[in-house]
Amino acid sequence: EAGVTQSPTHLIKTRGQQATLRCSPISGHTSVYWYQQALGLGLQFLLWYDEGEERNRGNFPPRFSGRQFPNYSSELNVNALELEDSALYLCASSIQGIEQFFGPGTRLTVL
Amino acid sequence: QQQVKQSPQSLIVQKGGISIINCAYENTAFDYFPWYQQFPGKGPALLIAIRPDVSEKKEGRFTISFNKSAKQFSLHIMDSQPGDSATYFCAATSGGSYIPTFGRGTSLIVHP
Repeated sequence: EAGVTQSPTHLIKTRGQQATLRCSPISGHTSVYWYQQALGLGLQFLLWYDEGEERNRGNFPPRFSGRQFPNYSSELNVNALELEDSALYLCASSIQGIEQFFGPGTRLTVL
Repeated sequence: QQQVKQSPQSLIVQKGGISIINCAYENTAFDYFPWYQQFPGKGPALLIAIRPDVSEKKEGRFTISFNKSAKQFSLHIMDSQPGDSATYFCAATSGGSYIPTFGRGTSLIVHP
């Protein structure tokens, strides 16, 4: 069974640009979660999508947004990039359960 | 406000030794406490989890000890191996939330 996949692996942008990160959940999983993992800060919850709807949102500004497609894959968009947005962005999926399965992440670097 | 405090930030252990990582929480509504293991270049993977109705859970060399009154829980890795070298995160979830609150992680290095 294929795990959670994320693309791209690495992304380099300049300040003010927009970044788009993609996630494909495990087959059969309907929930997708996005986390930001900045150095030394652990995992910070960003967004939760389930059945195409945004179910919950973490304490991040509105320039962090996303969506979930009918096939349950998801996209995270970060507008007006700031230097502090440099981090590893992790996607996880679950079947509306507590156990989440994580992808390998996208390393975003903002110059 | 950090709701789950994890210590130490880094830990170095000799092969065969015991690794101990501690976490403390504040929210008494938390009722599920998982530990995740993350290797470089990989996402975190669920290692072991416990609910507050038990004080200890063991899976192989990994044991969670839980102290509800002190609002603390810890991960013990017995007979630590170099392959255990990774970053470990504790987390806590309240019923129905599905969104864990994570500790800041512990970087474990096990020397051969």
